[in-house]
Amino acid sequence: DVKVTQSSRYLVKRTGEKVFLECVQDMDHENMFWYRQDPGLGLRLIYFSYDVKMKEKGDIPEGYSVSREKKERFSLILESASTNQTSMYLCASSSGQRGNQPQHFGDGTRLSIL
Amino acid sequence: DAKTTQPPSMDCAEGRAANLPCNHSTISGNEYVYWYRQIHSQGPQYIIHGLKNNETNEMASLIITEDRKSSTLILPHATLRDTAVYYCIVRSVTTSGTYKYIFGTGTRLKVLA
Repeated sequence: DVKVTQSSRYLVKRTGEKVFLECVQDMDHENMFWYRQDPGLGLRLIYFSYDVKMKEKGDIPEGYSVSREKKERFSLILESASTNQTSMYLCASSSGQRGNQPQHFGDGTRLSIL
Repeated sequence: DAKTTQPPSMDCAEGRAANLPCNHSTISGNEYVYWYRQIHSQGPQYIIHGLKNNETNEMASLIITEDRKSSTLILPHATLRDTAVYYCIVRSVTTSGTYKYIFGTGTRLKVLA
């Protein structure tokens, strides 16, 4: 089975801090994704990557950046955390050309910015 | 990007079929429909997907109308463990040629004993 592991289930940080959310997948997938999930808004795509060192903006990239130095690891970075970035963050991965296979999700990181 | 509309909640009796509708009237010809579900405190789990033909796997069946403007996910014999939020998703293509999901807000299905 595909395993997508997010480094923390719960995280509390302060406004202005630089925050790193880590995601690792063990199935050699080419494509990796970061979403945030908020009540009433569903899941929204922040950034994705279809190859090492490649990245592409999703629908809500403002305030975030990403890093993919190795195929199995995709990091989401909040450069200067703000309270409106309090949310559930979900990482996903998929195989196939540019993401044409089903995505597999981790269990999420619930991030609170105080 | 094509969007999806789902009823916010539904109930279903245990052992009966659960039929979850989804409207995607602006879907274009090469966009797939995917279904996922999310059980509380877990990440979304893939169920099934299709383009225009009906599909069936060990978890569910997917019925897509001929005009592709709507679809129905069928769980043939719902159990209490099927209680979850079900998302109908359109997979669209970005300007760079990669694929991305457009999530709706989902249907909260409660299976009743």
